Amino acid sequence: TQLLEQSPQFLSIQEGENLTVYCNSSSVFSSLQWYRQEPGEGPVLLVTVVTGGEVKKLKRLTFQFGDARKDSSLHITAAQPGDTGLYLCAGDQGNTPLVFGKGTRLSVIA
Amino acid sequence: KAGVTQTPRYLIKTRGQQVTLSCSPISGHRSVSWYQQTPGQGLQFLFEYFSETQRNKGNFPGRFSGRQFSNSRSEMNVSTLELGDSALYLCASSSGLASHEQYFGPGTRLTVT
Repeated sequence: TQLLEQSPQFLSIQEGENLTVYCNSSSVFSSLQWYRQEPGEGPVLLVTVVTGGEVKKLKRLTFQFGDARKDSSLHITAAQPGDTGLYLCAGDQGNTPLVFGKGTRLSVIA
Repeated sequence: KAGVTQTPRYLIKTRGQQVTLSCSPISGHRSVSWYQQTPGQGLQFLFEYFSETQRNKGNFPGRFSGRQFSNSRSEMNVSTLELGDSALYLCASSSGLASHEQYFGPGTRLTVT
């Protein structure tokens, strides 16, 4: 059973476009993390959201944690080729290991 | 601070052999977790070690084992390799305290032929 569903699985867009990727669950998480993974490398932590309804901005990236702490979204404004990669969300339920979604593979074409 | 290092980066083994992978965490981090990443299954948790003790274990067969040393370095071992064990094996370290934020190494790409 996949606790965290990410959508879409694949996304190919032109440079300059905006996009949103989603991370959904029926479970409640104490926090949720977003990672980006580039080919041949390990995932890199982008942000952690903790409070229901929280919005965090990281340059052109905006992360939101759902009010009920069951879902999250990542919005990228004016995407650039450097944003290309696999975006993973991971839910923290306390004393159990992080639960990872399968990821959204983003390709930004120049 | 130096990041998480993993050795080797690439490995080719034959079915039935065994393999040992190594991970050095970020200095000061006491928790090391191991994950298997495949295109079909995504990132799957193998186990977590904290202060030399296994704290959590994923749903993998007993062929997969690990350990952590007093300097927090960790190794994982896979015995009797199967073709399906071909994957990227990722090690991640964290402080092991309240936050579970993971800092990943570059991974070891294992190919079983």
